[in-house]
Amino acid sequence: KAGVTQTPRYLIKTRGQQVTLSCSPISGHRSVSWYQQTPGQGLQFLFEYFSETQRNKGNFPGRFSGRQFSNSRSEMNVSTLELGDSALYLCASSLQADHQYFGPGTRLTVL
Amino acid sequence: SQQGEEDPQALSIQEGENATMNCSYKTSINNLQWYRQNSGRGLVHLILIRSNEREKHSGRLRVTLDTSKKSSSLLITASRAADTASYFCATAMNRDDKIIFGKGTRLHILP
Repeated sequence: KAGVTQTPRYLIKTRGQQVTLSCSPISGHRSVSWYQQTPGQGLQFLFEYFSETQRNKGNFPGRFSGRQFSNSRSEMNVSTLELGDSALYLCASSLQADHQYFGPGTRLTVL
Repeated sequence: SQQGEEDPQALSIQEGENATMNCSYKTSINNLQWYRQNSGRGLVHLILIRSNEREKHSGRLRVTLDTSKKSSSLLITASRAADTASYFCATAMNRDDKIIFGKGTRLHILP
């Protein structure tokens, strides 16, 4: 089976712009979770989607949003980018809510 | 907010020695997992231990869980250079709850 894929792998944006990241889960996995990883804050949970519904949500502002499509692919969107949004964004899929399979991440740099 | 706290933050040992990392958490959990991350890449699931289990083994890995102390330890025996990575514990309060990660332990295996 193919692993979790994330696109793009690297992204450079400027403050105020918006960005959309994509995640394709492992075939058959209906749960997709998103995390933000920074050196200072570590891995922070953003949200989890299961069968196109947001099942869990972290403590991030409304600028961070996501969605999941009927084929389980997921996107996350960050609007009005801030310098502090520079991070590695990781997507993980799972069959059950325990063992997660991570993608390689998208490195976002906000200038 | 972080649920798990790993200790130590960083650890350097000689190849062949054993490495022990600890994780403490704050609330009751359904399960605790350990993940490994190499150089800012995606995380790899290592092992999961459920709240009703006390010890689990997988190859050179041994995980213990003490729910009364809200702590877990990960032991890597006979360490190898390839074990150099960051190790994270992650907890879920309930079966389908969000999975929260600690800040990790950076392990460096010296040749």
